[in-house]
Amino acid sequence: DAGVIQSPRHEVTEMGQEVTLRCKPISGHNSLFWYRQTMMRGLELLIYFNNNVPIDDSGMPEDRFSAKMPNASFSTLKIQPSEPRDSAVYFCASSLRGDTQYFGPGTRLTVL
Amino acid sequence: SQQGEEDPQALSIQEGENATMNCSYKTSINNLQWYRQNSGRGLVHLILIRSNEREKHSGRLRVTLDTSKKSSSLLITASRAADTASYFCATVSGGYNKLIFGAGTRLAVHP
Repeated sequence: DAGVIQSPRHEVTEMGQEVTLRCKPISGHNSLFWYRQTMMRGLELLIYFNNNVPIDDSGMPEDRFSAKMPNASFSTLKIQPSEPRDSAVYFCASSLRGDTQYFGPGTRLTVL
Repeated sequence: SQQGEEDPQALSIQEGENATMNCSYKTSINNLQWYRQNSGRGLVHLILIRSNEREKHSGRLRVTLDTSKKSSSLLITASRAADTASYFCATVSGGYNKLIFGAGTRLAVHP
């Protein structure tokens, strides 16, 4: 199994630009989670989906952030417009029945 | 908001020694999980203990859970340099399996 796949692995962009992060969960998993990790705030859950439906997006910082899961094998996290304070490592994780989460390698985002 | 709080924040030991990390949480839980994160990598699930369990083992790992004190501990026995990583506890509460992570313990194991 390839595990959770995230792309890109690194993204450097300028303030104001749109950023799209992508995630392919493990085949057969029915829950998908987006996290953000920074030194200051640690690991924060942004949003999670169950059977492609957003269940809890209370962790999404503000309207500039949006997430979609059009099908069971693909999800995107979009930031528009991006700001320097959005710089972080963004992780996607998936699980089956929700007990154990399997994390992707993360996308390191730098907004200049 | 963080549910789990790990203690200590950082731990430095010699190879062969045991490492103990503690986690405290605030609300009732369904289960508690421990994850490891190597520098620059994603998190890897280590072990899950349910609220009705008191102790669990997996290889060199031993996890205890005290729901009356709302605390858990992770013991790594006979540590190796490869155990150097950050260790996070995460709790699951309520009807959905939403993980709330603590701030983590940075473990350094010196050869």
